[in-house]
Amino acid sequence: KNQVEQSPQSLIILEGKNCTLQCNYTVSPFSNLRWYKQDTGRGPVSLTIMTFSENTKSNGRYTATLDADTKQSSLHITASQLSDSASYICVVSVRGAQKLVFGQGTRLTINP
Amino acid sequence: EAQVTQNPRYLITVTGKKLTVTCSQNMNHEYMSWYRQDPGLGLRQIYYSMNVEVTDKGDVPEGYKVSRKEKRNFPLILESPSPNQTSLYFCASTYSGANVLTFGAGSRLTVL
Repeated sequence: KNQVEQSPQSLIILEGKNCTLQCNYTVSPFSNLRWYKQDTGRGPVSLTIMTFSENTKSNGRYTATLDADTKQSSLHITASQLSDSASYICVVSVRGAQKLVFGQGTRLTINP
Repeated sequence: EAQVTQNPRYLITVTGKKLTVTCSQNMNHEYMSWYRQDPGLGLRQIYYSMNVEVTDKGDVPEGYKVSRKEKRNFPLILESPSPNQTSLYFCASTYSGANVLTFGAGSRLTVL
């Protein structure tokens, strides 16, 4: 069964600190993996996309990694800011089908 | 501005009273989809459409209907809403073959 599991479910850190969010998937065949950021009360917005051959991708203070062998991805946030408080959703695409498998998300709270 | 527009944003209704949530996109996207988001369950796909007059069930289609008479519009219809359909609903769209979804702002529905 195609599944995406994210951890932790929630995380609270102080402003300025770094953090790493995890995503494990069992989707097959794999096409690509995206991380979305969802602010409270708003729709998700794409942060990064990674294909099978990519190991790392950065978008400002956000760095995503992908290990296709272990089927794991991480999203690292550097020097966190209050505006980083949001839910982060890992989404894996099934190759050959317009099918996306969503993780449950990690709720990140940045405290001043 | 390229966007997905959902209406209404907030709605409180009673069991059995038919309602429609509209979704419109101005990006000429072929693919459109509806999701519901519930605490602890993440985003779950209700229905999707690959193009005009082509719709298919997602993971949780029971109690919902959709139509795709025009490329830009993809309404979600609840013929006889029940309290278990109380949720936050998102419409999203993308080009066929692409997987970066553009989400609407969400519609919070409460069924009493």
